[in-house]
Amino acid sequence: DVKVTQSSRYLVKRTGEKVFLECVQDMDHENMFWYRQDPGLGLRLIYFSYDVKMKEKGDIPEGYSVSREKKERFSLILESASTNQTSMYLCASSFTGVGEKLFFGSGTQLSVL
Amino acid sequence: RKEVEQDPGPFNVPEGATVAFNCTYSNSASQSFFWYRQDCRKEPKLLMSVYSSGNEDGRFTAQLNRASQYISLLIRDSKLSDSATYLCVVNAKGSARQLTFGSGTQLTVLP
Repeated sequence: DVKVTQSSRYLVKRTGEKVFLECVQDMDHENMFWYRQDPGLGLRLIYFSYDVKMKEKGDIPEGYSVSREKKERFSLILESASTNQTSMYLCASSFTGVGEKLFFGSGTQLSVL
Repeated sequence: RKEVEQDPGPFNVPEGATVAFNCTYSNSASQSFFWYRQDCRKEPKLLMSVYSSGNEDGRFTAQLNRASQYISLLIRDSKLSDSATYLCVVNAKGSARQLTFGSGTQLTVLP
Protein backbone atom coordinates (compact mmCIF):
# COMPACT_ATOMS: atom_id res chain seq x y z
CA ASP A 1 0.00 0.00 0.00
CA VAL A 2 1.13 3.53 -0.77
CA LYS A 3 2.10 5.43 2.29
CA VAL A 4 2.25 9.19 2.60
CA THR A 5 3.49 10.24 6.00
CA GLN A 6 3.21 13.69 7.50
CA SER A 7 5.52 14.42 10.39
CA SER A 8 2.99 15.85 12.85
CA ARG A 9 -0.72 15.34 13.40
CA TYR A 10 -1.16 18.45 15.53
CA LEU A 11 1.07 21.49 15.76
CA VAL A 12 0.72 24.71 17.76
CA LYS A 13 2.94 27.67 16.86
CA ARG A 14 3.14 31.34 17.71
CA THR A 15 2.68 34.22 15.27
CA GLY A 16 5.95 35.04 13.54
CA GLU A 17 7.54 31.62 14.03
CA LYS A 18 9.05 29.72 11.11
CA VAL A 19 7.17 26.46 10.62
CA PHE A 20 8.24 23.35 8.74
CA LEU A 21 5.77 20.69 7.67
CA GLU A 22 7.35 17.52 6.35
CA CYS A 23 5.88 14.90 4.04
CA VAL A 24 7.40 11.62 2.88
CA GLN A 25 6.02 9.14 0.32
CA ASP A 26 7.27 5.64 -0.33
CA MET A 27 5.97 4.91 -3.84
CA ASP A 28 8.45 6.76 -6.02
CA HIS A 29 5.76 9.19 -7.16
CA GLU A 30 6.93 12.05 -9.36
CA ASN A 31 4.33 14.51 -8.12
CA MET A 32 3.82 15.84 -4.64
CA PHE A 33 1.33 18.42 -3.44
CA TRP A 34 0.50 20.58 -0.45
CA TYR A 35 -3.13 21.52 0.15
CA ARG A 36 -4.85 23.34 2.96
CA GLN A 37 -8.41 22.56 3.93
CA ASP A 38 -10.74 25.04 5.61
CA PRO A 39 -14.45 24.67 6.41
CA GLY A 40 -16.62 25.81 3.51
CA LEU A 41 -13.62 26.36 1.23
CA GLY A 42 -12.59 22.80 0.55
CA LEU A 43 -9.06 21.81 -0.37
CA ARG A 44 -6.96 24.53 -1.96
CA LEU A 45 -3.63 23.86 -3.62
CA ILE A 46 -0.68 25.76 -2.15
CA TYR A 47 2.27 24.36 -4.12
CA PHE A 48 3.13 21.27 -6.05
CA SER A 49 6.28 19.64 -7.34
CA TYR A 50 6.68 17.36 -10.34
CA ASP A 51 10.34 16.50 -9.84
CA VAL A 52 13.23 17.01 -7.47
CA LYS A 53 14.02 20.71 -7.05
CA MET A 54 11.04 21.62 -9.28
CA LYS A 55 8.04 23.45 -7.90
CA GLU A 56 5.01 25.31 -9.14
CA LYS A 57 2.64 27.66 -7.38
CA GLY A 58 -0.86 26.54 -6.77
CA ASP A 59 -3.86 28.72 -6.08
CA ILE A 60 -2.76 30.19 -2.73
CA PRO A 61 1.07 30.27 -2.48
CA GLU A 62 1.35 33.59 -0.62
CA GLY A 63 3.06 33.21 2.73
CA TYR A 64 4.40 29.73 1.91
CA SER A 65 7.46 28.20 0.30
CA VAL A 66 8.41 24.60 -0.44
CA SER A 67 11.46 22.44 -0.78
CA ARG A 68 11.99 19.18 -2.61
CA GLU A 69 15.60 18.04 -2.34
CA LYS A 70 14.79 14.33 -2.57
CA LYS A 71 12.10 12.61 -4.61
CA GLU A 72 10.37 11.11 -1.60
CA ARG A 73 10.25 14.25 0.55
CA PHE A 74 8.34 17.50 0.12
CA SER A 75 8.46 20.20 2.76
CA LEU A 76 6.12 23.13 3.27
CA ILE A 77 7.58 26.18 4.99
CA LEU A 78 5.72 29.03 6.62
CA GLU A 79 8.38 31.73 6.82
CA SER A 80 6.53 33.79 9.42
CA ALA A 81 3.37 32.11 10.64
CA SER A 82 0.22 34.17 10.92
CA THR A 83 -3.14 33.41 12.51
CA ASN A 84 -4.83 33.14 9.11
CA GLN A 85 -2.60 30.16 8.37
CA THR A 86 -4.35 28.14 11.04
CA SER A 87 -5.70 25.23 9.01
CA MET A 88 -5.54 21.53 8.19
CA TYR A 89 -2.59 20.89 5.88
CA LEU A 90 -2.70 17.83 3.64
CA CYS A 91 0.17 16.42 1.63
CA ALA A 92 -0.50 14.20 -1.38
CA SER A 93 1.46 12.38 -4.05
CA SER A 94 0.75 10.81 -7.43
CA PHE A 95 2.25 9.42 -10.58
CA THR A 96 2.17 11.61 -13.67
CA GLY A 97 -0.56 11.02 -16.19
CA VAL A 98 -4.19 11.73 -16.93
CA GLY A 99 -6.38 9.98 -14.44
CA GLU A 100 -3.70 9.30 -11.87
CA LYS A 101 -5.16 9.40 -8.39
CA LEU A 102 -3.85 11.27 -5.38
CA PHE A 103 -2.72 9.54 -2.22
CA PHE A 104 -3.01 11.70 0.88
CA GLY A 105 -1.25 11.81 4.18
CA SER A 106 -3.37 11.97 7.32
CA GLY A 107 -2.94 15.72 7.65
CA THR A 108 -1.43 18.21 10.07
CA GLN A 109 -3.77 20.45 12.03
CA LEU A 110 -1.79 23.65 12.53
CA SER A 111 -2.89 26.26 15.02
CA VAL A 112 -1.12 29.62 14.98
CA LEU A 113 -1.69 31.63 18.15
CA ARG B 1 -17.94 31.16 -11.37
CA LYS B 2 -16.04 28.59 -9.31
CA GLU B 3 -13.96 26.06 -11.25
CA VAL B 4 -15.66 23.15 -9.48
CA GLU B 5 -18.98 23.55 -7.70
CA GLN B 6 -20.93 21.22 -5.48
CA ASP B 7 -24.06 21.51 -3.39
CA PRO B 8 -22.67 21.45 0.17
CA GLY B 9 -25.77 19.74 1.58
CA PRO B 10 -26.16 18.36 4.13
CA PHE B 11 -28.07 15.46 2.66
CA ASN B 12 -29.77 13.44 5.40
CA VAL B 13 -31.25 10.21 4.06
CA PRO B 14 -32.63 7.04 5.65
CA GLU B 15 -30.82 3.73 5.31
CA GLY B 16 -31.68 2.03 2.06
CA ALA B 17 -32.40 5.25 0.21
CA THR B 18 -30.93 6.24 -3.13
CA VAL B 19 -29.12 9.57 -3.19
CA ALA B 20 -27.46 11.50 -5.99
CA PHE B 21 -24.94 14.33 -6.01
CA ASN B 22 -24.00 16.57 -8.89
CA CYS B 23 -20.90 18.60 -9.49
CA THR B 24 -20.36 21.21 -12.21
CA TYR B 25 -17.03 22.29 -13.66
CA SER B 26 -16.18 25.36 -15.70
CA ASN B 27 -13.28 24.28 -17.94
CA SER B 28 -14.53 22.38 -20.97
CA ALA B 29 -10.98 21.10 -21.58
CA SER B 30 -10.99 19.09 -18.34
CA GLN B 31 -10.14 15.43 -18.84
CA SER B 32 -9.82 13.84 -15.41
CA PHE B 33 -12.75 13.43 -13.08
CA PHE B 34 -12.95 11.74 -9.72
CA TRP B 35 -15.09 11.32 -6.65
CA TYR B 36 -13.20 11.23 -3.37
CA ARG B 37 -14.66 10.39 0.00
CA GLN B 38 -13.58 12.08 3.22
CA ASP B 39 -14.59 10.81 6.62
CA CYS B 40 -14.71 13.18 9.56
CA ARG B 41 -11.17 14.22 10.61
CA LYS B 42 -9.59 11.91 8.04
CA GLU B 43 -7.81 12.41 4.75
CA PRO B 44 -9.64 12.17 1.41
CA LYS B 45 -9.54 8.82 -0.32
CA LEU B 46 -10.39 7.97 -3.89
CA LEU B 47 -13.88 6.54 -4.22
CA MET B 48 -13.95 6.21 -7.98
CA SER B 49 -12.74 7.70 -11.21
CA VAL B 50 -15.37 8.94 -13.65
CA TYR B 51 -15.13 7.79 -17.24
CA SER B 52 -16.85 9.16 -20.32
CA SER B 53 -18.97 6.03 -20.65
CA GLY B 54 -20.00 6.11 -17.00
CA ASN B 55 -18.92 3.50 -14.52
CA GLU B 56 -20.31 1.47 -11.69
CA ASP B 57 -18.74 -0.01 -8.59
CA GLY B 58 -21.21 -1.98 -6.54
CA ARG B 59 -23.79 0.45 -5.17
CA PHE B 60 -22.00 3.47 -6.62
CA THR B 61 -22.48 4.82 -10.13
CA ALA B 62 -20.59 7.77 -11.57
CA GLN B 63 -21.50 9.58 -14.77
CA LEU B 64 -20.00 12.35 -16.85
CA ASN B 65 -22.00 14.79 -18.97
CA ARG B 66 -19.53 16.75 -21.07
CA ALA B 67 -22.16 18.78 -22.89
CA SER B 68 -23.50 20.22 -19.65
CA GLN B 69 -20.15 20.01 -17.84
CA TYR B 70 -21.16 18.07 -14.81
CA ILE B 71 -20.43 14.78 -13.13
CA SER B 72 -22.74 12.86 -10.87
CA LEU B 73 -22.53 10.23 -8.18
CA LEU B 74 -25.42 7.91 -7.39
CA ILE B 75 -25.47 5.81 -4.25
CA ARG B 76 -28.06 3.05 -4.08
CA ASP B 77 -29.20 1.23 -0.95
CA SER B 78 -27.42 3.69 1.37
CA LYS B 79 -25.61 2.28 4.41
CA LEU B 80 -24.77 4.01 7.66
CA SER B 81 -21.12 3.64 6.69
CA ASP B 82 -21.70 5.80 3.61
CA SER B 83 -21.96 8.86 5.88
CA ALA B 84 -19.09 11.10 4.82
CA THR B 85 -18.26 14.14 2.74
CA TYR B 86 -18.03 13.46 -0.99
CA LEU B 87 -15.56 15.57 -2.92
CA CYS B 88 -15.77 16.18 -6.63
CA VAL B 89 -12.30 16.49 -8.20
CA VAL B 90 -11.46 17.74 -11.69
CA ASN B 91 -8.31 18.76 -13.54
CA ALA B 92 -10.04 22.09 -14.00
CA LYS B 93 -6.88 23.89 -15.15
CA GLY B 94 -6.24 21.41 -17.92
CA SER B 95 -3.11 19.98 -16.32
CA ALA B 96 -3.00 16.30 -15.48
CA ARG B 97 -1.02 17.15 -12.37
CA GLN B 98 -3.13 19.90 -10.93
CA LEU B 99 -6.50 18.79 -9.62
CA THR B 100 -9.16 21.13 -8.28
CA PHE B 101 -11.42 20.01 -5.47
CA GLY B 102 -15.01 20.98 -4.92
CA SER B 103 -15.86 22.01 -1.38
CA GLY B 104 -17.71 18.75 -0.81
CA THR B 105 -21.20 17.43 -0.22
CA GLN B 106 -21.97 16.13 3.25
CA LEU B 107 -24.04 12.96 3.46
CA THR B 108 -25.53 11.52 6.63
CA VAL B 109 -27.34 8.20 6.42
CA LEU B 110 -29.80 7.82 9.26
CA PRO B 111 -30.88 4.54 10.89
